[in-house]
Order: sequence, then C-alpha cells, then structure tokens
Amino acid sequence: KNEVEQSPQNLTAQEGEFITINCSYSVGISALHWLQQHPGGGIVSLFMLSSGKKKHGRLIATINIQEKHSSLHITASHPRDSAVYICAVPTFGGSQGNLIFGKGTKLSVKP
Amino acid sequence: DGGITQSPKYLFRKEGQNVTLSCEQNLNHDAMYWYRQDPGQGLRLIYYSQIVNDFQKGDIAEGYSVSREKKESFPLTVTSAQKNPTAFYLCASSIGEMETQYFGPGTRLLVL
Repeated sequence: KNEVEQSPQNLTAQEGEFITINCSYSVGISALHWLQQHPGGGIVSLFMLSSGKKKHGRLIATINIQEKHSSLHITASHPRDSAVYICAVPTFGGSQGNLIFGKGTKLSVKP
Repeated sequence: DGGITQSPKYLFRKEGQNVTLSCEQNLNHDAMYWYRQDPGQGLRLIYYSQIVNDFQKGDIAEGYSVSREKKESFPLTVTSAQKNPTAFYLCASSIGEMETQYFGPGTRLLVL
C-alpha cells in the first residue's frame, strides 16, 4: 500500500512570498494529484501529473519519479491562496478509485 | 452549468437511524466516488463506482451502502451499523479511471 507524507503540516506566509509544499510517497505511481480545499470544505483539483512540471497561473507542480517526490509552488502568494493543499497518489497496483490522500498542508497567507 | 451537487449541506442523524446523502452530477462522468474526511486525517475512500449498476468497496466501507442505478446519481446511505458517522462526506466523479476527479461541495453529518 502506498504511503503519502506532506510537509509542512502548517504554513504561514506573508503576501507576495514564494511558497513550496512537499509531497513524498513510498511506491511508484502512474500519476500524482494536487488538490486545493477551501475553508468551506469544497475541493478543487489543481493538477494531475506523471512527469516533469505543470504550470497554471501562479501555481507550479513538479514531480521527480525517481525520488518519489512532488512539490507544489505558489509564486507571488496572495491571501486568497489560503487553503489546505492535498496531494494524492494511487494505491500500489490500484486503480483511480483507490487514491491515497495526504493529510494536507494548511496554508495561511497574511496581507 | 455542469458540476456535482451534494445535499444536504448539513445532516443530523439520531442514534440507530439510517440517513442517505445525495450526490448528483451532470458531467456525463462514468466514475463516481464517496470519501470521508475526519479532522487531521486525509480523505478516505468509502465506495466507488466505475459504471452504472456496479460499485466496489473502498478502504472504509463498513457501515455504509451505495447504489448506482443511474449514471448521474450515486447516493450514500450511512447505516446504524456505522458507529462513528460524524464526519465531512465528499462525493467526486471523473470521466473514467485514471482521470482528474471533480468534487462536490460536501455534506457534514452530525450525530444527535
């Protein structure tokens, strides 16, 4: 079974700072997901990536398959980026239906 | 607009009572999922369905039941056998296996 670890657990930043959130997993995967959960509970999928890097606006996700590690970066952070960021990977040998989720990184961006 | 809806937003359950959480999607997605979220823990899969009239147990299926009679709908019943039902429940759907999942707004279940 795959294991997912995220760091840090909590992160406080000043507006404009560059943010990095890390995710490590234990078993090789086909794709990794980054999700954003807003204070009200709603979840939005940010990225699904299997290699290299993806960029969407101020968000950048990278993955290193050999090192079993992914990072989510936020450039020029803003208070509206405050949310919980979650990474998820398939269970070992599992289908999409068996995603393992990290416990999340709670980000708070102060104005 | 296309999306996933869950109702109700808050649900209260009495001891020994079964309750059903609704999940509807108009995205024409084949796959649907139910997750449970507890404070300080990651989302855990309860049940998932990859096609109509078929579903599989996830990691924590005990005390829950589902049906998938229509492509658009995947209701979750929390039975009286679920001894600790208080949690935030999220429904999701995807075009198919190994595709991005789209989440509903969630239902918060509380036990009276």
